[in-house]
Amino acid sequence: NAGVTQTPKFQVLKTGQSMTLQCAQDMNHEYMSWYRQDPGMGLRLIHYSVGAGITDQGEVPNGYNVSRSTTEDFPLRLLSAAPSQTSVYFCASKASGAVSYNEQFFGPGTRLTVL
Amino acid sequence: RKEVEQDPGPFNVPEGATVAFNCTYSNSASQSFFWYRQDCRKEPKLLMSVYSSGNEDGRFTAQLNRASQYISLLIRDSKLSDSATYLCVVISRGNTPLVFGKGTRLSVIA
Repeated sequence: NAGVTQTPKFQVLKTGQSMTLQCAQDMNHEYMSWYRQDPGMGLRLIHYSVGAGITDQGEVPNGYNVSRSTTEDFPLRLLSAAPSQTSVYFCASKASGAVSYNEQFFGPGTRLTVL
Repeated sequence: RKEVEQDPGPFNVPEGATVAFNCTYSNSASQSFFWYRQDCRKEPKLLMSVYSSGNEDGRFTAQLNRASQYISLLIRDSKLSDSATYLCVVISRGNTPLVFGKGTRLSVIA
């Protein structure tokens, strides 16, 4: 299994550009999520999904869109990039259901710089 | 009050030392608890789950105190390779998001 994969690893955007961060998992996990990590702020949840066709907002959703058309993929779209969106973005997945001790697996991250 | 709070550190300890981190959580309905480890510029990875009766994995011991709403992580005989950021994680039930603390940075010095 490849686990959770993210592309690209690095990206530089200009203010106002849009782009999509890709995330895929091959573990048949229903639950997927996106975080951003900034120095001193820890991991902050952007959006999450409990299954195909279902998404919900996290702590910091503004400026980001998500969709979940398949179990495997959970792309994150930046609509109009701003310097405040410079961050490291992590995608994660875990098996869902009533068992709350399921391990959450993270992708390797995308380092985004917005100029 | 933040949902999950940790002392950010850094904790600078010599090799072989014993070090302990605490983490407090505010949601009394929280069901499950974890410690994740994050190395510099890498993704977080599960270190260990924290069970009600406490649990041990080699040099690592995790404990849960539901009455006082805190969890702890004890590392014995610290190694240089233990240098990392340790994240406290709490979840209220299976399909809800994990809530992460900001992490405690540990540096083990030779």
